[in-house]
Amino acid sequence: QITLKESGPTLVKPTQTLTLTCTFSEFSLSTGGVGVGWIRQPPGKALEWLGIFYWSDDKRYSPSLRSRLTITKDTSKNQVVLTMTNMDPVDTGTYYCARPLGNRRYFDLWGQGTPVTVAS
Amino acid sequence: DIQMTQSPSSVSASVGDRVTITCQASQDISSWLAWYQQKPGKAPKLLIYAASSLQSGVPSRFSGNGSGTDFTLTISSLQPEDFATYYCQQANSFPITFGQGTRLEIK
Repeated sequence: QITLKESGPTLVKPTQTLTLTCTFSEFSLSTGGVGVGWIRQPPGKALEWLGIFYWSDDKRYSPSLRSRLTITKDTSKNQVVLTMTNMDPVDTGTYYCARPLGNRRYFDLWGQGTPVTVAS
Repeated sequence: DIQMTQSPSSVSASVGDRVTITCQASQDISSWLAWYQQKPGKAPKLLIYAASSLQSGVPSRFSGNGSGTDFTLTISSLQPEDFATYYCQQANSFPITFGQGTRLEIK
């Protein structure tokens, strides 16, 4: 059974850097067409796409957050890591990792999400 | 960026009703559209992709239609488990964008 699970701190201070890890099973980022994306959701608000990392090492980021985001992979550990710098209270929300459906930009498998609060 | 606008923002309906939610893209996205269902405290669930393709395991009472800029999600006969928030998402180009959501409530 394919699973994804996010992990990381639940509380970060303003200006700090957030690092979240997505650990997945039963698929590999070495396989052609495979990717892992990140999506977040502020409390009571809509989903916002952050970025995606593909098997080819191609990466795409949200233009509005590009300067603050880095997505990397550790193929041996089946992990994708999201780093977001200069955190602000508006970045508070639930962060999800998700796998695209085939080589398309729909997300058919999602992690459970991890809550992140930015506060001093 | 392609903007996705859903309507209505919320709708009240009864079990057994037929409900249609619309999503409009700010530019032509062909059929590159998905619909998701999200329940409180849970991750979104993919219902429809490519505007009208039913994701595996999703009940057939869910259907999607449209192309270009105008799309619909229809639930033919509401079941108690269908009360949730629904999001559309365009997959035509980066950045991927979502609609603001439609909350489906019990009347």
